[in-house]
Amino acid sequence: TQLLEQSPQFLSIQEGENLTVYCNSSSVFSSLQWYRQEPGEGPVLLVTVVTGGEVKKLKRLTFQFGDARKDSSLHITAAQPGDTGLYLCAGNTDKLIFGTGTRLQVFP
Amino acid sequence: DTEVTQTPKHLVMGMTNKKSLKCEQHMGHRAMYWYKQKAKKPPELMFVYSYEKLSINESVPSRFSPECPNSSLLNLHLHALQPEDSALYLCASSPPPRGPDSPLHFGNGTRLTVT
Repeated sequence: TQLLEQSPQFLSIQEGENLTVYCNSSSVFSSLQWYRQEPGEGPVLLVTVVTGGEVKKLKRLTFQFGDARKDSSLHITAAQPGDTGLYLCAGNTDKLIFGTGTRLQVFP
Repeated sequence: DTEVTQTPKHLVMGMTNKKSLKCEQHMGHRAMYWYKQKAKKPPELMFVYSYEKLSINESVPSRFSPECPNSSLLNLHLHALQPEDSALYLCASSPPPRGPDSPLHFGNGTRLTVT
């Protein structure tokens, strides 16, 4: 069974702080996606990383795919209340496997 | 607004009822999915349809019956559910081919409560 473990599970921070979310697996994935889900809504794709070692930036969000394509990280700089939500990594094989999720709360 | 529309938004049903969840997309996507999400958990894959044919069934109990009448519509028929089936049911679609550049587009889900 392919598992994607995310850490931390929960994160509660003040506006302006930086944070990093990790997504780890013992399996190799052809690509990895990050989604954000807000209450009452479905997950929304943030980014897809494909190449080992790849770094992608989306405004204040920086995504990295591990060299061995088994892990990934999401770093948020100067978090804002609008960043609050459930962050899900998802590994791509013949189907999409979701990680265990990180619930982020950013207080003003 | 999401381009994947799910109805109803909320559904309460008894264990002897028969109901259906509906999902519609007009993006020309040829893969459609049903996911189940329990509170504070990630989505779990239930079914995948590719070109209107069932391609993946993740050992889902037969009280859940999917149907894909055409490339834009996906239904999930429910019968004799149990209280533990209460969850958010998410529909998603993706463009072909199923590869690393194929993001999933999710609807906002149907919140199902089984009493």
